[in-house]
Amino acid sequence: NAGVTQTPKFRVLKTGQSMTLLCAQDMNHEYMYWYRQDPGMGLRLIHYSVGEGTTAKGEVPDGYNVSRLKKQNFLLGLESAAPSQTSVYFCASRPLRGGHGELFFGEGSRLTVL
Amino acid sequence: DQQVKQNSPSLSVQEGRISILNCDYTNSMFDYFLWYKKYPAEGPTFLISISSIKDKNEDGRFTVFLNKSAKHLSLHIVPSQPGDSAVYFCAASARETSGSRLTFGEGTQLTVNP
Repeated sequence: NAGVTQTPKFRVLKTGQSMTLLCAQDMNHEYMYWYRQDPGMGLRLIHYSVGEGTTAKGEVPDGYNVSRLKKQNFLLGLESAAPSQTSVYFCASRPLRGGHGELFFGEGSRLTVL
Repeated sequence: DQQVKQNSPSLSVQEGRISILNCDYTNSMFDYFLWYKKYPAEGPTFLISISSIKDKNEDGRFTVFLNKSAKHLSLHIVPSQPGDSAVYFCAASARETSGSRLTFGEGTQLTVNP
């Protein structure tokens, strides 16, 4: 009963370092999303994917890249981390049809860039 | 340009009383609205939703009201319980939007005092 799993849960980076956050879902959902949560700003969409091999920009895509090589995985990459990217990152997924149109979220990944 | 706004960062109520959380939106293309609940160190979880063809949806202690002319929705929790203490996010989507993306408000921290 895993749902949406994010790794790692915590990471500290130095400015300029790179890293990748991995999101995996076992619900066979078509759509996947990466959001970031910052105090007083709610959840803002970084990138999303409507299916394997497709990606699109969200609200705040600068400084991030994504890939969806397999349907169940959605990777978020930071090529050169900046302190402004210190945040909590949430991955989410949803099926193409059915349910209440809601997104299913992972537990979050807390990233600190020094 | 914050298309979904929750103007109250926090709300405190007594156990057993009604909690009313408010949300305003500016994009007239939004036609589906959701409320999420988030506990610390966990991902947001879906609570209740409403389509723009309705003005009320009820699920147990939770009721969402939609006033399209005012571009306003509210979540009522009756009776409030200490376990309801969490951050509540309002979210909206437009049917024509690619990927059925959700736009979130800033969140309201609800505290229910015993």
